Amino acid sequence: AQKVTQTQTSISVVEKTTVTMDCVYETRDSSYFLFWYKQTASGEIVFLIRQDSYKKENATVGHYSLNFQKPKSSIGLIITATQIEDSAVYFCAMREGRGSNYQLIWGSGTKLIIKP
Amino acid sequence: EAGVTQSPRYAVLQEGQAVSFWCDPISGHDTLYWYQQPRDQGPQLLVYFRDEAVIDNSQLPSDRFSAVRPKGTNSTLKIQSAKQGDTATYLCASSLVGTDTGQLYFGEGSKLTVL
Repeated sequence: AQKVTQTQTSISVVEKTTVTMDCVYETRDSSYFLFWYKQTASGEIVFLIRQDSYKKENATVGHYSLNFQKPKSSIGLIITATQIEDSAVYFCAMREGRGSNYQLIWGSGTKLIIKP
Repeated sequence: EAGVTQSPRYAVLQEGQAVSFWCDPISGHDTLYWYQQPRDQGPQLLVYFRDEAVIDNSQLPSDRFSAVRPKGTNSTLKIQSAKQGDTATYLCASSLVGTDTGQLYFGEGSKLTVL
């Protein structure tokens, strides 16, 4: 069965520094999609960034980037120049399924605390 | 464009009571998901629909949980005879097949406490 693991329960960093959150996954699919979502204090979950397994380039969106290491089944999220408002819970997820019928398998989340 | 809307935002029940959660997805989104998120855990899929059809309800505790999406738009998740273990946030998400590769759009959730 597919599985997503986030081992870091909580990370605390000082504002304006760079932070990396880890995620490893298990899949038997040759093609798959990996996602990072952010859950804000209000509870809403918002999409941040996606990595397609067949792409060698690491995805980048704004101050979010990914460190995709396919041989290690690893997809780390890097946030540069962190801001107070980046404080949230970050979830790694992997798409499971075929064709148009799919669901996301989620990690347990990493709580990020940005200190002034 | 309006996002995913859920109601109620909060519910507090005694064990054995019933509750219904309502979700209005983004207009035009054909796929709707219900997730259960216990405190300090990731979302866990309960059921999802494509239009009005159930695609996967294998994780839905069928004896007390039910979900419908009769017209392929809004959806209702109902819990009958609630238990303390049902305490969690219930999240609704929607997506449109063919326009993305898995990105979901979430509502703010309905937080359930069963005493």
